[in-house]
Amino acid sequence: KNEVEQSPQNLTAQEGEFITINCSYSVGISALHWLQQHPGGGIVSLFMLSSGKKKHGRLIATINIQEKHSSLHITASHPRDSAVYICAVEEGNDMRFGAGTRLTVKP
Amino acid sequence: DADVTQTPRNRITKTGKRIMLECSQTKGHDRMYWYRQDPGLGLRLIYYSFDVKDINKGEISDGYSVSRQAQAKFSLSLESAIPNQTALYFCATRGGVIPDTQYFGPGTRLTVL
Repeated sequence: KNEVEQSPQNLTAQEGEFITINCSYSVGISALHWLQQHPGGGIVSLFMLSSGKKKHGRLIATINIQEKHSSLHITASHPRDSAVYICAVEEGNDMRFGAGTRLTVKP
Repeated sequence: DADVTQTPRNRITKTGKRIMLECSQTKGHDRMYWYRQDPGLGLRLIYYSFDVKDINKGEISDGYSVSRQAQAKFSLSLESAIPNQTALYFCATRGGVIPDTQYFGPGTRLTVL
């Protein structure tokens, strides 16, 4: 059973700051996902990674398979980035989720 | 229109009642999932289906059953609801030759008294 740990649990930043959210897992995986859960509850898929790095707009996701670690970076953060960010790992057909990181970006 | 819809969006029920949560999708995806979310615990997989004839248990299937009535519809049932099944329930789909993105429904908030 894979254990998925996210850090920090809560993060408050000022608008414009560079944000990093971390995710660690305990056993080998086939892929890692980053999700965003809006304050209203809706969940949006941001990235799926199996190696390296992906970028979409101001969001960058990286994964280090050897270290069993992934990071989600947000450049030039904005109040609309305020949400819960969730890391999830795939092992075969199973999906395990972290508890999430609550990000608040203040203007 | 939303790609993945869930009904009802909110439901309050009593212990022992049978409840059905419904999910429909217009993505044409084969893979559908039911998750529950509890504060501080993250999402957990209840059941998943890769095809109309394919149903699989997830991490926490006890107390739940599912039905895949068609490619577009995946229902979750609580045969006899209990208070610790109070949670936010999400349906999701995934598809394509190399499935990557999951598309989540808006969630159903279920309260069992």
